[in-house]
Amino acid sequence: QSVLTQPPSASGTPGQRVTISCSGSSSNIGSNPVNWYQQLPGTAPKVLIYRNNQRPSGVPDRFSGSKSGTSASLAISGLQSEDEADYYCATWDDSLKGVFGGGTKLTVL
Amino acid sequence: EVQLLESGGGLVQPGGSLRLSCAASGFTFTTYAMTWVRQAPGKGLEWVSGVSGSGGSTYYADSVKGRFTISRDNSKNTLYLEMNSLRSEDTAVYYCAKEGQWEPRAYLDLWGQGTLVTVSS
Repeated sequence: QSVLTQPPSASGTPGQRVTISCSGSSSNIGSNPVNWYQQLPGTAPKVLIYRNNQRPSGVPDRFSGSKSGTSASLAISGLQSEDEADYYCATWDDSLKGVFGGGTKLTVL
Repeated sequence: EVQLLESGGGLVQPGGSLRLSCAASGFTFTTYAMTWVRQAPGKGLEWVSGVSGSGGSTYYADSVKGRFTISRDNSKNTLYLEMNSLRSEDTAVYYCAKEGQWEPRAYLDLWGQGTLVTVSS
C-alpha cells in the first residue's frame, strides 16, 4: 500500500483534458513539493513536473501540475496517443524518506 | 553525455548479498544527491534510499533499513547500494537516479536504465 494515493487508472480520447490526483498527508504533500513522473512502457521513468508546477525543458506545456493542502494534481490537455503511460506522484516525507504514489495507468481511447 | 549506468544486478539466493553500482557522467557528481528507486515486476515505483551530495547524510525506506547500505565515491563518480539478507520481495529492477539538488527530496531529474535483481532459490 503506497503512502500517496492515486487512482489506478484514467482514460480519455485524443484532444481531451484529463487529470490525475495524488492524495497524501500533512507530513508529505502538506509540507513538501510534489513531483510527477511519466513511465512509458518498457522504459525508465522521467520527470514531468517538479516542485508542484515546474516543467523541465522539453516537456510540452500540455502538462501542468498543481498542489493544494495535502493533495496534488497532474493535468494533461490536448491528450495524444503518445501520452499513454504510467504516471507517478512523489514527494519527501518529514520522516526522512521519499514516497511515491501507486501509479496511474493512462489509456488513450 | 549526461548519463547514469547501473551494474551489478543478477540472480541471488534468499539471504544472500549483492552490490549495485551506478556510474555517473556528464555532470558534477558531488553537487547532487543520489537515490535508488526500485520496481518489482508489474508493480509501481518504490523509493529505496537516498544520499546527500557529500555522502554524509543517508536515508532509507523502512523495508530495507538495516539490510541495505547506500554510499558514494565522489572521486569515482559512482553510487553504490550494498544489499544484504536479501528476500524474495526485494526482486525488482533497481534504478539509480540523480536528484535535482544537494539533499534527497524525490526530485529525480536523471534516471539510469535499471538493473534487475532476482532473489530466488
